[in-house]
Amino acid sequence: AQSVTQPDIHITVSEGASLELRCNYSYGATPYLFWYVQSPGQGLQLLLKYFSGDTLVQGIKGFEAEFKRSQSSFNLRKPSVHWSDAAEYFCAVQDSGAGSYQLTFGKGTKLSVIP
Amino acid sequence: DSGVTQTPKHLITATGQRVTLRCSPRSGDLSVYWYQQSLDQGLQFLIQYYNGEERAKGNILERFSAQQFPDLHSELNLSSLELGDSALYFCASSVEAGANVLTFGAGSRLTVL
Repeated sequence: AQSVTQPDIHITVSEGASLELRCNYSYGATPYLFWYVQSPGQGLQLLLKYFSGDTLVQGIKGFEAEFKRSQSSFNLRKPSVHWSDAAEYFCAVQDSGAGSYQLTFGKGTKLSVIP
Repeated sequence: DSGVTQTPKHLITATGQRVTLRCSPRSGDLSVYWYQQSLDQGLQFLIQYYNGEERAKGNILERFSAQQFPDLHSELNLSSLELGDSALYFCASSVEAGANVLTFGAGSRLTVL
């Protein structure tokens, strides 16, 4: 069964600093990978996705992620963090077997931003 | 607004009771997924329906059931509620064709007292 590990439970960065959130996955085949963001009291919003092709994918709000097959990683990055980026971030892998596209999520990384 | 509508937004009930959560998918989406989010378990997949039929089952308790109606809306029924069922319940929908993106609703927060 697939699994996702987000090793950092909580990260604090200063506004304007760069950000990298780590994600490692375990999946037997070529994975479909996602990053979602959840603001307090809100649902999950898709930031970006990787299906195939270019391993560096661009998303909304200035985020990008890089798929590294050799490291089974899909880390999320942003060059300059804004206070509005404070939220919880979830990495997910999609299971396309047996006709279901359910997502398996990591435990999430909570991002705090210091003004 | 994601286009996925969940009601109610908040629900407070007592142990032993039964509740129903409702989800309307985005227009054109045939699949509905239910997830439970709790502090200790994180986001857990419960069940998926595609065009009225159950497609996949995850960590769903026997006290929980779901269905998808002909108009494609879905309901998640939670019965004999326990304190541990307190959680945020999300519905997501998708087209279910090829590489597939799930769009999530805002969730229903259930508190069991």
